[in-house]
Amino acid sequence: DVKVTQSSRYLVKRTGEKVFLECVQDMDHENMFWYRQDPGLGLRLIYFSYDVKMKEKGDIPEGYSVSREKKERFSLILESASTNQTSMYLCASRKDREGSPLHFGNGTRLTVT
Amino acid sequence: AQSVTQLDSQVPVFEEAPVELRCNYSSSVSVYLFWYVQYPNQGLQLLLKYLSGSTLVESINGFEAEFNKSQTSFHLRKPSVHISDTAEYFCAVNPGGYQKVTFGTGTKLQVIP
Repeated sequence: DVKVTQSSRYLVKRTGEKVFLECVQDMDHENMFWYRQDPGLGLRLIYFSYDVKMKEKGDIPEGYSVSREKKERFSLILESASTNQTSMYLCASRKDREGSPLHFGNGTRLTVT
Repeated sequence: AQSVTQLDSQVPVFEEAPVELRCNYSSSVSVYLFWYVQYPNQGLQLLLKYLSGSTLVESINGFEAEFNKSQTSFHLRKPSVHISDTAEYFCAVNPGGYQKVTFGTGTKLQVIP
């Protein structure tokens, strides 16, 4: 079974802090994704990576950056956290093959005060 | 660009009654379609997927979905729901040849005893 692990389940940060959300997958997947989930808005793609050191912007990249130095690890960085970034963040991975399903972590609930 | 519409944000249904959760998509190319389920305080899990071939796909827990190309729909159905089916359900589309996966806004299924 694929396992996608997000390092924190709950996180509380202050406005202006730099925040790191970590995600690790154990199945040698090429593609990794960061989504945020908000009530009534579903999942919105922030960034994805199709290979080490490669990344592409999703639909809402503003205020975020990512890092993928190793194949199994994909980090989401909030350069200067703001209250409108309070949300549930979901990491996912999948094989680089058409039609492959996403495998999700359990999410990190981030609160910015 | 692709999009996914889930018209119903909440669907209450009595236990053992049938249910249909609606999903419509738009895309300029052929697509792969997915339904994911999210139980409380968990990440998303794959429920079923349509890649090609038979337009009717089934999951192991009694759900089924039918791909209708002419109506650009992929509605999810179950003939008799259980309390344990209470969850949020997300429809997702992945255009062929693209890595990006777009999700709908989700439908909360509430099964009433």
